[in-house]
Amino acid sequence: DAKTTQPNSMESNEEEPVHLPCNHSTISGTDYIHWYRQLPSQGPEYVIHGLTSNVNNRMASLAIAEDRKSSTLILHRATLRDAAVYYCILDNTGKLIFGQGTTLQVKP
Amino acid sequence: ETGVTQSPTHLIKTRGQQVTLRCSSQSGHNTVSWYQQALGQGPQFIFQYYREEENGRGNFPPRFSGLQFPNYSSELNVNALELDDSALYLCASSPRGSRGDTQYFGPGTRLTVL
Repeated sequence: DAKTTQPNSMESNEEEPVHLPCNHSTISGTDYIHWYRQLPSQGPEYVIHGLTSNVNNRMASLAIAEDRKSSTLILHRATLRDAAVYYCILDNTGKLIFGQGTTLQVKP
Repeated sequence: ETGVTQSPTHLIKTRGQQVTLRCSSQSGHNTVSWYQQALGQGPQFIFQYYREEENGRGNFPPRFSGLQFPNYSSELNVNALELDDSALYLCASSPRGSRGDTQYFGPGTRLTVL
């Protein structure tokens, strides 16, 4: 599976939007882009995924660059409960290969 | 709808012992994947089972083995435990195990090897 690059950490203020970037310059045409998050002391939780088009769900939005070499997870209004490690994962096999992720801190 | 459950929650073993961890998949899911998460690291893929057959394996030695049962629940067995096996073991179920499938994770089993 191709690798992704994410910032180690980011900070946000509560109730403000958060844009979490992910670079995946070696993505193949059949790779899905998944985002999972892991809250402290819990298993990872699915956030959103997409292939080519931007996606929206109740948790977040996923913006995929036209060349698919990068994507951005958008949390529209961060809450304290959004503090977690966010993982961007490319999936071409149904087996998830996690990187280190981005630790998001949300300040009140 | 019942989510993914794992047992036990915590476990302490000594080096050289064997351990079995259990996972019940979400209703309607026929695929279970197992992951190892060391402290401060992202989860690492161990293997996946689809309809009772191993369907892919990560870079783990043969002393890590698994089973999937007809009801799609699963076991992870680790023989000859080493200190580095101390980790959070996560299982995840998915509808088909195919690319693009969403995986639903359990809360994990925390294994400590002394």
